Amino acid sequence: GQNIDQPTEMTATEGAIVQINCTYQTSGFNGLFWYQQHAGEAPTFLSYNVLDGLEEKGRFSSFLSRSKGYSYLLLKELQMKDSASYLCAVIDSNYQLIWGAGTKLIIKP
Amino acid sequence: GAVVSQHPSRVICKSGTSVKIECRSLDFQATTMFWYRQFPKQSLMLMATSNEGSKATYEQGVEKDKFLINHASLTLSTLTVTSAHPEDSSFYICSARVGEGQPQHFGDGTRLSIL
Repeated sequence: GQNIDQPTEMTATEGAIVQINCTYQTSGFNGLFWYQQHAGEAPTFLSYNVLDGLEEKGRFSSFLSRSKGYSYLLLKELQMKDSASYLCAVIDSNYQLIWGAGTKLIIKP
Repeated sequence: GAVVSQHPSRVICKSGTSVKIECRSLDFQATTMFWYRQFPKQSLMLMATSNEGSKATYEQGVEKDKFLINHASLTLSTLTVTSAHPEDSSFYICSARVGEGQPQHFGDGTRLSIL
């Protein structure tokens, strides 16, 4: 079966750095997305990785290792507004999007 | 770029009413649109995938006669919840993408409450 694992919940301190991990086992791979979803709102697109390595976009970076079936989202200089759920999603060989259950990130002052 | 508009944002209506939700891609043509449902504190659940000009593909367990999807153009898809009941109350979210391998961009969602 197809599976995406990410921690259910994480807590971090304002101003700090946090890394949210995602491991996947899917039938093929055509890319990995990270989305942010605030409570009661729709998801918003954060990043896309299809090749190995690190993609940096401001305070957010996303890393991919296809051989390990592993990605992480790195959030720097955390702000209170970063409190949200972070969803990892993988495109499989049929171009179906497989969603992780999301990681709820709690930022404390 | 990649803006998706979803309307209405909130609906409150009586049991037995049919409700229509619109999803529009404003600045791009979407070959495929998706409809999701999300209950409080739960994950997104894909309901159906629709391609312009063809019938929608429904996920297992989703009643196609209850959740009617029309994808009439490359910029518009509609979801009609027919004869809605309280158990249909949920957060419905649409998304659109340009093509395979491209990210899905989401509308703001519709919060449906059936009394």
